[in-house]
Amino acid sequence: SQQGEEDPQALSIQEGENATMNCSYKTSINNLQWYRQNSGRGLVHLILIRSNEREKHSGRLRVTLDTSKKSSSLLITASRAADTASYFCATEIQGAQKLVFGQGTRLTINP
Amino acid sequence: DGGITQSPKYLFRKEGQNVTLSCEQNLNHDAMYWYRQDPGQGLRLIYYSQIVNDFQKGDIAEGYSVSREKKESFPLTVTSAQKNPTAFYLCASSTTGVVIYNEQFFGPGTRLTVL
Repeated sequence: SQQGEEDPQALSIQEGENATMNCSYKTSINNLQWYRQNSGRGLVHLILIRSNEREKHSGRLRVTLDTSKKSSSLLITASRAADTASYFCATEIQGAQKLVFGQGTRLTINP
Repeated sequence: DGGITQSPKYLFRKEGQNVTLSCEQNLNHDAMYWYRQDPGQGLRLIYYSQIVNDFQKGDIAEGYSVSREKKESFPLTVTSAQKNPTAFYLCASSTTGVVIYNEQFFGPGTRLTVL
């Protein structure tokens, strides 16, 4: 199975609610990154958290990292219709100069 | 405008044909990457290059080939040996050949369909 596994695979919420997505991984990492993909488009980088960091914020985004549990979460607060997209976590594994992507969470924000 | 361009946006291939997907960047990035994405799936790494005239196989390199003759260009050839090439192909670049702490910038993708 892949290094990064996301949960849930799909999430549907009402506009204004908060959305939480989780990512688990198997091996030690240098950093973990979150990306967004609108349908049929390329990926857009959202936030990067280093292995020695526990929490990071960027606007309405909050990312946490628990290296002891090998897991991360992405929280989007006060969701908007424009947040509808797929969200991927990507891990940079120690010793490997590449990113390994999870299968993504499809987020739908209902107006 | 700075960024990554991919062409064409849509590509149709007959079985047995080789096709080449273009990827160009003007971000002055050293590293470039090719990924494959199947419906509802994540990205899988095909090839990557950390510097001009050098590249490495990713996780699913069989049936694909690349070249890196110029810093700004990293074309991908899908050969007839690739048995199931229908997919969405994404090119990316990053600031240095060492990924540590660096984000990747993605192009808009090429959707390849085998007829």
